[in-house]
Amino acid sequence: DAMVIQNPRYQVTQFGKPVTLSCSQTLNHNVMYWYQQKSSQAPKLLFHYYDKDFNNEADTPDNFQSRRPNTSFCFLDIRSPGLGDAAMYLCATSSPRDGTNEKLFFGSGTQLSVL
Amino acid sequence: AQKITQTQPGMFVQEKEAVTLDCTYDTSDQSYGLFWYKQPSSGEMIFLIYQGSYDEQNATEGRYSLNFQKARKSANLVISASQLGDSAMYFCAMREPDRDDKIIFGKGTRLHILP
Repeated sequence: DAMVIQNPRYQVTQFGKPVTLSCSQTLNHNVMYWYQQKSSQAPKLLFHYYDKDFNNEADTPDNFQSRRPNTSFCFLDIRSPGLGDAAMYLCATSSPRDGTNEKLFFGSGTQLSVL
Repeated sequence: AQKITQTQPGMFVQEKEAVTLDCTYDTSDQSYGLFWYKQPSSGEMIFLIYQGSYDEQNATEGRYSLNFQKARKSANLVISASQLGDSAMYFCAMREPDRDDKIIFGKGTRLHILP
């Protein structure tokens, strides 16, 4: 059973057209992460939520925003996608609260294409 | 400043040989965690091994072991008896509990196992 679910698997958007990527989890983990991964590069942390506390990385462009309406769901909004935003977006969870923080649980990712 | 450094962009190793992938990290925190993840060409992130900063023994998981040298701030991954299926990207990552459990990745090492 999938525990961290990302939809859709592939997303195509147009230059400048807002797009939202979604992530849900059935693990009840309190920390959720969004990473951007370009081809043959490392996953780059964009932001993460520790419960409802939002942590933005200093070099995450303002074009990227996130929402976490409840424990299970987290969204990545790209307000005006540029060609350079084409990448794989990975959602991950962990749970330091209950001690299961020795592993990041990843979704299968959303591959974003910008035309 | 780079917090996770993987100095080997690529490695070629003969099948059945042992291989060591290097990882050094930088933190002033006393409490932290270190992960290794494998990413095959399919793109999924596969958890391999975890070492907590207070763990006195090196972590082991099957053919994987982590050579943790705290004073040198290194956390090298050792794969014994390498197999063709070990060909993949390998990422070292660090968890920082004092920063709301921020987890960042190194640039990775692409490992090629030769038959």
